[in-house]
Amino acid sequence: QSALTQPASVSGSPGQSISIPCTATRSDIGGFFYVSWYQQHPGKAPNLLIFEVSNRPSGVSLRFSGSKSGNTASLTISGLQAEDEAVYYCSLYTMNTIQFGGGTTLTVL
Amino acid sequence: EVQLVESGGGLVQPGGSLRLSCAVSGFTVSRNYLAWVRQAPGKGLEWVSFIYNDGNTHYADSVKGRFTISRDSSKNTLFLRMDSLRAADTAVYYCARVPPWLQVPYYFDFWGQGTLVTVSS
Repeated sequence: QSALTQPASVSGSPGQSISIPCTATRSDIGGFFYVSWYQQHPGKAPNLLIFEVSNRPSGVSLRFSGSKSGNTASLTISGLQAEDEAVYYCSLYTMNTIQFGGGTTLTVL
Repeated sequence: EVQLVESGGGLVQPGGSLRLSCAVSGFTVSRNYLAWVRQAPGKGLEWVSFIYNDGNTHYADSVKGRFTISRDSSKNTLFLRMDSLRAADTAVYYCARVPPWLQVPYYFDFWGQGTLVTVSS
């Protein structure tokens, strides 16, 4: 069972903003300072969107942003586009392991 | 250009063995933290194993004692030896790189395209 909880699905209309929460369910997650987010389109490998809570790799759209409050990290996508329809995973490093959230399917209506 | 290309997947019977390869280019396997991550059909991502640049290895509890991660610097290739395979090991297996400037493997910046392993009789 994942220590990181995400909603199974979210949806939004083009142009809207949505947020995907990722909540740590174990007390040993610690400061939750090293959350990252990945986007995965069907049949493709995951792609890094956000690292260390709120940093974007070069080439990732400014529409993607990350934040955290306590034991919950959030990915926000602004100005939704059809191409954003994908599965989004949060991830956290702890003690020589990586935990992934269960994934959130984003549907653009 | 950084590239990771997996191979070696296929159909194997329960209890059997398989060795996956991940040929990399654009960086050196021995100087980077590398990992295997898998994804069962229709399911989420599951971290499997790390190999650090100092050679230390770490495994998920679900594969500990059955899987072995290794690398060959002369071939610039990462491997995953999988023994005592179970139906629950059926998944697409990805190799992934940790950015070389990190001293701790917080995240992955490059992934391969994946190779499918099916464990079935």
